[in-house]
Amino acid sequence: EVQLLESGGGLVQPGGSLRLSCAASGFTFDTYAMSWVRQAPGKGLEWVAAIGGSGHRTYADSVRGRFTIYRDNSKNTLSLEMSSLRAEDTALYFCAKDSGFNFLPDFWGQGTQVTVSS
Amino acid sequence: QSVLTQPPSAAGTPGQRVTISCSGSSSNIGSNYVYWYQQLPGTAPKLLIHTNNQRPSGVPDRFSGSKSGASASLAISGLRSEDEGDYFCATWDDSLYVVFGGGTKLTVL
Repeated sequence: EVQLLESGGGLVQPGGSLRLSCAASGFTFDTYAMSWVRQAPGKGLEWVAAIGGSGHRTYADSVRGRFTIYRDNSKNTLSLEMSSLRAEDTALYFCAKDSGFNFLPDFWGQGTQVTVSS
Repeated sequence: QSVLTQPPSAAGTPGQRVTISCSGSSSNIGSNYVYWYQQLPGTAPKLLIHTNNQRPSGVPDRFSGSKSGASASLAISGLRSEDEGDYFCATWDDSLYVVFGGGTKLTVL
């Protein structure tokens, strides 16, 4: 059974940093791309970043240069390093497993909440 | 403002058929597969349709997807109260990122 468990969310001040993690199990982690997708309160889904099984990365324009996605295939862990955080980054951040087509997910974790506020 | 356009709301009575549209462009829907996700209140999104019209194992055949040109649609037949929630379309854009629709809130009257 596929499981994705996010952690690391919390309250951070504008300009601050935060690292999110996602522990994956139930599938061969290193053969799948992984993504982070966020959802602001009461809003729709916004794709944030993705990383291929071998490490190729791609980012949404809204976070490029501020966020870094990386993975540790030896620990089946996906991470998102976020810096220079802004109020508009406040959202529920989901870890998602790739379906095999262009980073589109087929399974999502339950999410971890990030709130950027002074 | 989302790259893919969905109606903000849809509604139907139990047993009815409801259709949700998703409009894009030649650089996204027009040249890539469309996926649909269901998000029930307070839960994570769940894959409903992949590669335009394929249902993952466990998804009832009441749900169907189609695509024509730069538009796609999700149809739900035999509407049930437990179908109430938000529905999102998604695809890859050739500018190298995943794009989502703004979501459609489905109400079962």
